[in-house]
Amino acid sequence: DAKTTQPNSMESNEEEPVHLPCNHSTISGTDYIHWYRQLPSQGPEYVIHGLTSNVNNRMASLAIAEDRKSSTLILHRATLRDAAVYYCILMTMNRDDKIIFGKGTRLHILP
Amino acid sequence: DTAVSQTPKYLVTQMGNDKSIKCEQNLGHDTMYWYKQDSKKFLKIMFSYNNKELIINETVPNRFSPKSPDKAHLNLHINSLELGDSAVYFCASSRYGYNEQFFGPGTRLTVL
Repeated sequence: DAKTTQPNSMESNEEEPVHLPCNHSTISGTDYIHWYRQLPSQGPEYVIHGLTSNVNNRMASLAIAEDRKSSTLILHRATLRDAAVYYCILMTMNRDDKIIFGKGTRLHILP
Repeated sequence: DTAVSQTPKYLVTQMGNDKSIKCEQNLGHDTMYWYKQDSKKFLKIMFSYNNKELIINETVPNRFSPKSPDKAHLNLHINSLELGDSAVYFCASSRYGYNEQFFGPGTRLTVL
């Protein structure tokens, strides 16, 4: 089973920020928090990852709780092209056999 | 140019057959992966492979075997196909030691 919990679906209006939550209460000290997204009929696409500190890149920001048991992916200004399934995954280096993408959050963007 | 490519895109075959799915990456990565996405949409890793090490998810039947002719290719061979093997199979690659993976477009396998 996936070690993360996410809401099944969320909606947001176009050009507004989106906050996608993820719970990972059993995270271990060596687990990195990764976010990928999957558009319809495509393979997953890397979005961002982090270990302890908040992270920013051109696609999104990742806010990690101080106890690391939860995190939030932030899309600062959603566009219709951001409609996808967003996966929060825990990955540990050299433990690839344990990677599981859960059901993710299906993000709907309203024009 | 496509970074990670897979062929075929669709594969329909009978139970008991043996089939292969090819994967190629032109990113210069040294680690490649195979994932299976089942009907419930869970995406699970099957294998990760670099020049030094093959890591196998213990739940993968030994009917599945990855074969790497060189660093840019990791093909998936499946023997004695079963109905439960029907799924979308994704290939991915990354630099060794880095977790940012680049995925291919997927191969939809249907076993009749």
